[in-house]
Amino acid sequence: DQQVKQNSPSLSVQEGRISILNCDYTNSMFDYFLWYKKYPAEGPTFLISISSIKDKNEDGRFTVFLNKSAKHLSLHIVPSQPGDSAVYFCAASAGAGSYQLTFGKGTKLSVIP
Amino acid sequence: ETGVTQTPRHLVMGMTNKKSLKCEQHLGHNAMYWYKQSAKKPLELMFVYNFKEQTENNSVPSRFSPECPNSSHLFLHLHTLQPEDSALYLCASSPGTSGYEQYFGPGTRLTVT
Repeated sequence: DQQVKQNSPSLSVQEGRISILNCDYTNSMFDYFLWYKKYPAEGPTFLISISSIKDKNEDGRFTVFLNKSAKHLSLHIVPSQPGDSAVYFCAASAGAGSYQLTFGKGTKLSVIP
Repeated sequence: ETGVTQTPRHLVMGMTNKKSLKCEQHLGHNAMYWYKQSAKKPLELMFVYNFKEQTENNSVPSRFSPECPNSSHLFLHLHTLQPEDSALYLCASSPGTSGYEQYFGPGTRLTVT
């Protein structure tokens, strides 16, 4: 059973608009969440993270929101740029001392010029 | 430049062959990881090494044998693989094994014929 779910395999957004990528999780022990971006023929690259003690973390054009009661997080990219076109993975970790990241299947974002 | 390199980038091997994947990190990290990414599946953690000691083996078949001679190098020795082992094998490293983002290499695309 998947503990981290990204229900949208793909998303298309116009350049300059907002991209919203969603992620749901089922394990209540998860307390640290990360987003990774992956271009073809490259490994995933860390993008942004959030601890469960926060509900928002912002880094430039990227903002991650965490709703613990709904077990849901989202990544907002504003404004979207063609270079943001990639596969985005949501990952979660459970507790201090935990090295195991549980990944979602990813969402392919296409930003249309 | 991610700071984590992997060789070879592509590998085709027969089921009776023995081959090795190599990973090297230039980030001064203490922990290193092997992941497997099969088509349409999330990244699956295979092995974790912390300060050269294996701390996790996620029920990986013995035909996969990891080796970590020092904190900068990680190998995955392969023998008598099956066609279903064809996948992208990703190496990652992190400063420690607790709540730190992991930095990935570009991966080795393995095809077992």
